[in-house]
Amino acid sequence: GAGVSQSPSNKVTEKGKDVELRCDPISGHTALYWYRQSLGQGLEFLIYFQGNSAPDKSGLPSDRFSAERTGGSVSTLTIQRTQQEDSAVYLCASSFNRNRGRGGYTFGSGTRLTVV
Amino acid sequence: AQKVTQAQTEISVVEKEDVTLDCVYETRDTTYYLFWYKQPPSGELVFLIRRNSFDEQNEISGRYSWNFQKSTSSFNFTITASQVVDSAVYFCALSEARNDYKLSFGAGTTVTVRA
Repeated sequence: GAGVSQSPSNKVTEKGKDVELRCDPISGHTALYWYRQSLGQGLEFLIYFQGNSAPDKSGLPSDRFSAERTGGSVSTLTIQRTQQEDSAVYLCASSFNRNRGRGGYTFGSGTRLTVV
Repeated sequence: AQKVTQAQTEISVVEKEDVTLDCVYETRDTTYYLFWYKQPPSGELVFLIRRNSFDEQNEISGRYSWNFQKSTSSFNFTITASQVVDSAVYFCALSEARNDYKLSFGAGTTVTVRA
């Protein structure tokens, strides 16, 4: 597609349930990033994928969070046993690897997650 | 650890006024990158500008300009002759060369441009 596509755009879930958030990057973009935007913490880095290399998961807040990227394209962020503090907007971005440090990321519109 | 501070929470101006957004950063690295992003009501973050730590030349791009001063660790951003469409949240961000994919964002400044 023309841009980064994220689904669902909104998700309301009960505390303790698992959720999956999906990101479709721009075709040809080898680098993919997940960020979280919450009222209390602002914008935070979560995880970075580059091709077939091991991802940098250093930003994942707990072991309830995991992410994978299949076939170097679509990525899924999974949150297990959701807690109310997980409520946030989860933003995905992608870029050509050479733009990685140049800030030329294209962000999606995000998934707004609400845990009730 | 890297840190970005945007002291202004909200700015409200009338159309055609200039708007300057302040950004102060902290980093121990000598090579780093500074960015400004815009987040309109639709939610996606839009990349505006990037500056390398070794390039202090200030530039103007259309109605946007920036003032990068290493001596004061500041990277301010100006919108000239603001328009209603400039209404958005503006984020300053920093990444360090060794992990240049990892952006640290400021808290953001909400700009409202009134007609």
